[in-house]
Parts: sequence; structure tokens; C-alpha cells
Amino acid sequence: SQKIEQNSEALNIQEGKTATLTCNYTNYSPAYLQWYRQDPGRGPVFLLLIRENEKEKRKERLKVTFDTTLKQSLFHITASQPADSATYLCALVRGSQGNLIFGKGTKLSVKP
Amino acid sequence: DAGVIQSPRHEVTEMGQEVTLRCKPISGHDYLFWYRQTMMRGLELLIYFNNNVPIDDSGMPEDRFSAKMPNASFSTLKIQPSEPRDSAVYFCASSLQDRGLGGKLFFGSGTQLSVL
Repeated sequence: SQKIEQNSEALNIQEGKTATLTCNYTNYSPAYLQWYRQDPGRGPVFLLLIRENEKEKRKERLKVTFDTTLKQSLFHITASQPADSATYLCALVRGSQGNLIFGKGTKLSVKP
Repeated sequence: DAGVIQSPRHEVTEMGQEVTLRCKPISGHDYLFWYRQTMMRGLELLIYFNNNVPIDDSGMPEDRFSAKMPNASFSTLKIQPSEPRDSAVYFCASSLQDRGLGGKLFFGSGTQLSVL
């Protein structure tokens, strides 16, 4: 069956450090992958999309990589700030119907 | 734009009662999705519509769940009868592009459902 796994439920880092979150998938050949941020009591908010023919995508302090051989995406936040504390979700399109399937998320806590 | 609007924000009901969740997508978006989120299972896709037509309802857990989209600006998700295991946060999301082109989802704030 198709699975998406995010490496850990929680990640605690110190302010100013780089946070790295991992998303692994099996039995997929996704055309693209998306990352979302979710704050408590709110719906997920889109951050970045990376296509299968792109190795890396950047947006301000965010960087996403996509390795279709390893079936893995890495999400980096450089110079992290307490305001970056949230749950981050990766999502893949499943099959030809285009259903967006989400991982369970990684809760990031950035300590001052 | 006000974004995706869901109502109610919170719903507490007793087992066996009917529950109706409502969603107004972003104007002009042609895809609408209903998701359910729990700690155990994360975000699960229940059903999605394209141009008001249900495309895939394979995620709907049982016949107790039904969804409609009578027009481009309104959708409902109904649970009848409700059970305690239905307790979760239900999200509605809308999208403009075909999924295969990388359309991003815009989520509402969700409905926190508690079935006692």
C-alpha cells in the first residue's frame, strides 16, 4: 500500500539553528510534493511545491529537496525562530485521480 | 477574499444524532475536498468534488457519511447517525487547478466535532 512517513512526531531545536524535517514515501511515483504548515486550531497553510524534475526549491528561509531515487523530501528552515514553531505536513498526489495524501506531520518547537 | 469558510467551528452532539457540517469554498475554485484529522490517523481525505460533481468518495468511512455540493459556493458533509468514533476535526479545502498540475489547497479553519 502507499505510505507517507514523516521522520518524527516532534523536533525540538534552538533558535538560530537549521531545522530539517524528513518525508519518506513508498509505492508512489508522485509528480510533485507539497509542504504545509499547521498552527493549533487552524487549517494547514501551503508553503512550497516541488516537482519531480526539480531537485531543490527555495523560498526565503525555507528550502525543500526532492530525491525520487531515495523517495524522500527534506524540508529545511534556516535561522529558525520561535515563530516557526508549528506542525509541518508533507503531501503527495496519489495516482491519476490527483488525491492529495498527507503525512501525519512533524511538530517543530523552536526554543529561544 | 475571505478564504474557505466552515461552520460551525465547534459541534458537540450526542451519539445517534445527525450532524451537518458546512463549507463555502473560495470563489472561482473548481475543486472541493473534505478531510478528517485525528491524532491517530492524521489528515484523511474523505471525498472530493470537481465542478460540483463527486469524483472520489472512497475515503468516506461508511454509509453514515454523505456529502453534497448543490452549487459552486456550498457543500455539506452529513453524518447520520453520529458515533463517538466520529469525533475529529473536519476540514474543507478548495483548489483552483487540476491536481496533476500541482494545485495547492486552501483550507478552512475546520469544525471540531465531539460526539458524546
